[in-house]
Amino acid sequence: EDKVVQSPLSLVVHEGDTVTLNCSYEVTNFRSLLWYKQEKKAPTFLFMLTSSGIEKKSGRLSSILDKKELFSILNITATQTGDSAIYLCAVEGWRGGSRLTFGEGTQLTVNP
Amino acid sequence: GAGVSQSPSNKVTEKGKDVELRCDPISGHTALYWYRQSLGQGLEFLIYFQGNSAPDKSGLPSDRFSAERTGGSVSTLTIQRTQQEDSAVYLCASSRRLAGTIYEQYFGPGTRLTVT
Repeated sequence: EDKVVQSPLSLVVHEGDTVTLNCSYEVTNFRSLLWYKQEKKAPTFLFMLTSSGIEKKSGRLSSILDKKELFSILNITATQTGDSAIYLCAVEGWRGGSRLTFGEGTQLTVNP
Repeated sequence: GAGVSQSPSNKVTEKGKDVELRCDPISGHTALYWYRQSLGQGLEFLIYFQGNSAPDKSGLPSDRFSAERTGGSVSTLTIQRTQQEDSAVYLCASSRRLAGTIYEQYFGPGTRLTVT
């Protein structure tokens, strides 16, 4: 059974802090790892990672994948209150078809 | 369309009734996915369509759940004889998919289903 574990489950920081969110996984026939930000209902896409060691960046957010150790991290620098959300990690596996398995998410709260 | 759309946005139904949830994927996206998110829970995969066929239905929680997709576009998720534990937000996502090429999934706003 595919499994995704995120840590920490909850994190409270002050504006300007840097945070690192962790995601470890076990998946059959790994295809990709994705990070999403969920503020209200629908998750919004952040990154898709398929290769080890290649950092993806978007503004203050960055992410990297280690396929040997089966984990990924999401970094957010100079956090802002608008970064407060649940950050979801998902892995795509292949078993005759594609499916995403999601972790429980990390609830990030950024206080002013 | 500009994004994935779902309808209705909210649905309240009585236990035992059937409900239909609709998803309109992004135009040109051949892959379509249904997920469920119960209160305080992570996202749970339900079913995946490639075109009109569903290679993986194993996420459907019971035989009361079914889904279809016609014309490679709109999909309907049907829940028969709803139970209170079916209450959740049902999310649809779509992506482009060509053989051997992976594309990210984009989510719709979800349908919040409440079974009373």
